[in-house]
Amino acid sequence: DAKTTQPNSMESNEEEPVHLPCNHSTISGTDYIHWYRQLPSQGPEYVIHGLTSNVNNRMASLAIAEDRKSSTLILHRATLRDAAVYYCILRDIEGRANTGKLIFGQGTTLQVKP
Amino acid sequence: NAGVTQTPKFRVLKTGQSMTLLCAQDMNHEYMYWYRQDPGMGLRLIHYSVGEGTTAKGEVPDGYNVSRLKKQNFLLGLESAAPSQTSVYFCASSFPTDRGGFNEQFFGPGTRLTVL
Repeated sequence: DAKTTQPNSMESNEEEPVHLPCNHSTISGTDYIHWYRQLPSQGPEYVIHGLTSNVNNRMASLAIAEDRKSSTLILHRATLRDAAVYYCILRDIEGRANTGKLIFGQGTTLQVKP
Repeated sequence: NAGVTQTPKFRVLKTGQSMTLLCAQDMNHEYMYWYRQDPGMGLRLIHYSVGEGTTAKGEVPDGYNVSRLKKQNFLLGLESAAPSQTSVYFCASSFPTDRGGFNEQFFGPGTRLTVL
């Protein structure tokens, strides 16, 4: 699986937008970009995913660079409840295998200040 | 719906003891996964299953065994616990991947295991 690089930690103020970067320079054409987050003392939860086009859902937006070598998770208005570890994960469609395996890195710890 | 539940929530073992962690899901998911998370680290895949009666190795399978006798349950066994297996264990489940290879995984609350 291709590797991702994320900053270890970031800080944000409450109610301000947050841009969480992820570099994936070795991404292949069939790698999907997934984001999960892990709130304190909980299991991870799915946030968003995409392939080439920017994506929006109720939780966040995903902006993907034109060359796909980087992406940015955007939280439009950070709340205290958004304080978590955010994981950027690449996953190949695996041809016929489709096992759905996720390979987690260390992620970015987001602190939100009131 | 309870989602994904894990039993027990906490456990302390002595080196050499055995135990089984139970993961149950009520979402009729085909796929199930066991991960471990060490302090300050991301999750690592131990074993996974793409259907009842099937299991496969993940990134760090050594020292663990699994069984998927029923679709809703996925058991993780430690035959002879070692201090290196002190960790938080997470179970997850999902539907099969779609045509684009995507499947949203739903995680349980975790089991905190300490091996002395």
